[in-house]
Amino acid sequence: AQSVTQPDIHITVSEGASLELRCNYSYGATPYLFWYVQSPGQGLQLLLKYFSGDTLVQGIKGFEAEFKRSQSSFNLRKPSVHWSDAAEYFCAVGDTGGGNKLTFGTGTQLKVEL
Amino acid sequence: GAVVSQHPSRVICKSGTSVKIECRSLDFQATTMFWYRQFPKQSLMLMATSNEGSKATYEQGVEKDKFLINHASLTLSTLTVTSAHPEDSSFYICSARQLAGTRGAKNIQYFGAGTRLSVL
Repeated sequence: AQSVTQPDIHITVSEGASLELRCNYSYGATPYLFWYVQSPGQGLQLLLKYFSGDTLVQGIKGFEAEFKRSQSSFNLRKPSVHWSDAAEYFCAVGDTGGGNKLTFGTGTQLKVEL
Repeated sequence: GAVVSQHPSRVICKSGTSVKIECRSLDFQATTMFWYRQFPKQSLMLMATSNEGSKATYEQGVEKDKFLINHASLTLSTLTVTSAHPEDSSFYICSARQLAGTRGAKNIQYFGAGTRLSVL
């Protein structure tokens, strides 16, 4: 069964600092990988996705993520965090078998200090 | 593009009543919609997969008679929480997967804004 681990429950960074959110997955083949962001009381917004090809993917709001097969990781990065980035971030692995079910990690709560 | 509307955003009901939540894909057709439940400070748990014109597929442990799902068209799925009880209080989120489109688009789920259900 597929699974996702986000080892950091909470992360606090200063505005302008760089950010890296960790995500490790378990899947039998090359998975579909996603990062979503959720603001309080809201649904999820897709930041970026990886299906195949270039292992460094660019997303919205200046985020990027790198797929590393050898490490089963798909870490999210941003070179300079803005106060508006404070939110909950979820990594998800998608079933490539046609059902496209998503399995989410437990999320990382990002706090940005001004 | 790829906007999913979920209604209502918040509902408060008495124990024993039923509540219907709608999920609409506004600018694309969705053969498949998904319903999730999210407990406070926790991740999303898939409840069921809703396919247009067929019965929903429920995840293990989800009562299909409690959570009725109807996917009558390519743009609308509804979740009805029947005989709601306080333990059903939660944040319910739907997502929709595109029917077709640009390469890979059908593998992306677009999420609604969620519905906060409070059962008194």
